[in-house]
Amino acid sequence: DTGVSQDPRHKITKRGQNVTFRCDPISEHNRLYWYRQTLGQGPEFLTYFQNEAQLEKSRLLSDRFSAERPKGSFSTLEIQRTEQGDSAMYLCASSLNPHNNYGYTFGSGTRLTVV
Amino acid sequence: DAKTTQPNSMESNEEEPVHLPCNHSTISGTDYIHWYRQLPSQGPEYVIHGLTSNVNNRMASLAIAEDRKSSTLILHRATLRDAAVYYCILRTNAGKSTFGDGTTLTVKP
Repeated sequence: DTGVSQDPRHKITKRGQNVTFRCDPISEHNRLYWYRQTLGQGPEFLTYFQNEAQLEKSRLLSDRFSAERPKGSFSTLEIQRTEQGDSAMYLCASSLNPHNNYGYTFGSGTRLTVV
Repeated sequence: DAKTTQPNSMESNEEEPVHLPCNHSTISGTDYIHWYRQLPSQGPEYVIHGLTSNVNNRMASLAIAEDRKSSTLILHRATLRDAAVYYCILRTNAGKSTFGDGTTLTVKP
């Protein structure tokens, strides 16, 4: 198993453009999480899935953000009409259920820069 | 959300033990205490977790207070590769976890 993979590693985009990130979790993990991290801060929760069902979205997640996990495998996170404030590291993590007795496995993240 | 409190930064000398504290006074009975560490430009890496009893693994030890309102991550012999940001979080039945800003550990040669 190669762990959690995220693609791309880096993305530079112009303000107003749409971007999409992909996450491939560990295959047997049924939970998938998206976090966002800015410099000097800890990861901030965005949303998570149990298989293909999106169970929770952060109130901080504007309607420009959407996430999917079709067929309960890989997940995509799309940001529409990007703004400079969206510049951050976007982290994906996966876990088994019952989740509180299993650790997260994080990917290396996608670094987004909006210019 | 279940919250934890950690010192912003700590320093250690190489090959000496390091004790990283974490307070979690609002912990619930089914919450597990997890520790992660993060190197620059990488995602957080799992270190250790526990519920009530102290835990040991090849990376570290976790000491949990009897009332579970605090815990300590112990690195028995710090190396330069242990310099990182360490996060203590509570994993709850609610699914998500809240990360604070962690403790930045500096290891001096």
